[in-house]
Amino acid sequence: AQSVSQHNHHVILSEAASLELGCNYSYGGTVNLFWYVQYPGQHLQLLLKYFSGDPLVKGIKGFEAEFIKSKFSFNLRKPSVQWSDTAEYFCAVNASQFYFGTGTSLTVIP
Amino acid sequence: GAVVSQHPSRVICKSGTSVKIECRSLDFQATTMFWYRQFPKQSLMLMATSNEGSKATYEQGVEKDKFLINHASLTLSTLTVTSAHPEDSSFYICSANDRGGYGYTFGSGTRLTVV
Repeated sequence: AQSVSQHNHHVILSEAASLELGCNYSYGGTVNLFWYVQYPGQHLQLLLKYFSGDPLVKGIKGFEAEFIKSKFSFNLRKPSVQWSDTAEYFCAVNASQFYFGTGTSLTVIP
Repeated sequence: GAVVSQHPSRVICKSGTSVKIECRSLDFQATTMFWYRQFPKQSLMLMATSNEGSKATYEQGVEKDKFLINHASLTLSTLTVTSAHPEDSSFYICSANDRGGYGYTFGSGTRLTVV
């Protein structure tokens, strides 16, 4: 069965620290990959997505992700986090339907 | 960009009553919409795929008679939680695919509390 794994359940960082959230999926075919963010009390918002082309994808708010096909990974990165990045982050894979990871809660300490 | 409007944002109902949640695509047509449920501290779980003009496709374990889905037009899908019970309390989110390029857009979600 297809699955999406997010290895970090809860991450705590100080402002200006670098961020990398892991995401691995299991699906052998063509996939579309997404990272969503859910700020406290708000709905999901799309951070970035990969459909094809350059495997390094840049999204909103300084986030980027790299698709490494051989590792079935789509890790999310940000060089310098801010307090306002405190949120829940979800990796998702679309392979005929959406599969979401369990989410990573990021807390940024001022 | 594409906008999906979901109403109501919060609803409290008594056990045994039914609740209808609406999901509208405001500036695009969506032949397919998706309904998700999110438990606290967990990820979204796909409940069903709503297809305009035909029956919804339910995921395994989701009771189709309890969670009624109607997709009567290209811009509106509704989810009705029938005979709601406290265990149905959850966060329900819809999404639609704007094939014009914005990808999947999510509604703002509905917090259902059954008392």
